Amino acid sequence: GENVEQHPSTLSVQEGDSAVIKCTYSDSASNYFPWYKQELGKRPQLIIDIRSNVGEKKDQRIAVTLNKTAKHFSLHITETQPEDSAVYFCAAIHSMDTGRRALTFGSGTRLQVQP
Amino acid sequence: GAVVSQHPSWVICKSGTSVKIECRSLDFQATTMFWYRQFPKQSLMLMATSNEGSKATYEQGVEKDKFLINHASLTLSTLTVTSAHPEDSSFYICSAGVLAGGNNEQFFGPGTRLTVL
Repeated sequence: GENVEQHPSTLSVQEGDSAVIKCTYSDSASNYFPWYKQELGKRPQLIIDIRSNVGEKKDQRIAVTLNKTAKHFSLHITETQPEDSAVYFCAAIHSMDTGRRALTFGSGTRLQVQP
Repeated sequence: GAVVSQHPSWVICKSGTSVKIECRSLDFQATTMFWYRQFPKQSLMLMATSNEGSKATYEQGVEKDKFLINHASLTLSTLTVTSAHPEDSSFYICSAGVLAGGNNEQFFGPGTRLTVL
């Protein structure tokens, strides 16, 4: 099955700096890679996702890059703000896998943005 | 966007009792619902996949007789924690999705915090 590794486990940056979180996956058939932001005690919120037919996607201060050959994808947050502080999870799935359609999550990165 | 509700949002129970958690998709029909468990400062761990009208598929290490899942309709799945013990205390989150074509986005419920005394 799929295995997703995420680094770093914690990340502290100064407000205005950039933050980068990296994930690797094991199943070359995975073709959908979402990123979730989870605040304490709340549900994960989808912030951006990327499919395997593109290498990069950007939405304002957030961008995701995908390297299919190396099987890794990264989340980039620019101009960080204190409200970006949360736990971020990457995930992977083969969207057409009829046998198993659950997301496989990374272990999470606790991002703290210092004002 | 699609809305998934979960009830209750939190529950405290005595050891040995059973607790039922409901997961509803409010404005769409979910062919599949997923139940996750999240311990403090850890990731979401898939417990089971619930398909409407069929038996749930449990992940390795998850006791199907302890965590009963029923997916009676396209908008409702329930998780019953039977004979709960303190080690079952956790944050339980469901997600629902419509899996058709290349669309595989899942929508998460707000979670249920279970505390077993």
